[in-house]
Amino acid sequence: EADIYQTPRYLVIGTGKKITLECSQTMGHDKMYWYQQDPGMELHLIHYSYGVNSTEKGDLSSESTVSRIRTEHFPLTLESARPSHTSQYLCASTKTGLNTEAFFGQGTRLTVV
Amino acid sequence: GENVEQHPSTLSVQEGDSAVIKCTYSDSASNYFPWYKQELGKRPQLIIDIRSNVGEKKDQRIAVTLNKTAKHFSLHITETQPEDSAVYFCAASPGGSNYKLTFGKGTLLTVNP
Repeated sequence: EADIYQTPRYLVIGTGKKITLECSQTMGHDKMYWYQQDPGMELHLIHYSYGVNSTEKGDLSSESTVSRIRTEHFPLTLESARPSHTSQYLCASTKTGLNTEAFFGQGTRLTVV
Repeated sequence: GENVEQHPSTLSVQEGDSAVIKCTYSDSASNYFPWYKQELGKRPQLIIDIRSNVGEKKDQRIAVTLNKTAKHFSLHITETQPEDSAVYFCAASPGGSNYKLTFGKGTLLTVNP
């Protein structure tokens, strides 16, 4: 079934650790996004990609990095996790064209202790 | 870039009443305006969308209206039910290959039985 998958769903990790949040989509979408969502509910765009080898920083400053080597894969990496990185991270994808409906993954709830 | 303002941030109504959420956008090139619903603990999902060549669209109890001249669009929910309680996001996009979907900050709708 075409969908967008995020792993892990939940992660508790110690300060200073390097982590990678995985996001894969099987819908053939060219655009992908990472959002940070705190309990205050706003979706903060932290990274996006228009296609392979294209990555841009979003509106919210983030210490994370992303890569887009394959169309279906858009991992997000934190080189050194801090408690301020504790949040929900949502991955999304859209296709270019008239219908640009965004599909979201289930999210990764990250806690840095 | 595009800027989307959404109001109100919270909305509480009695079951059976109507709810209206309003959004304004800044980029006159935007031509696609979706609305997403995010239930507690779940991912945002598209509930209705409208394109700039249409002024109004209905789907059962929900409707969206668009005023391109004034650059604003609204979500209308009639006969609200407790299961309508959620966070609602509006968004706007020009839909081209180098444009991204921009979200409003969200509205927490609570329907009281």
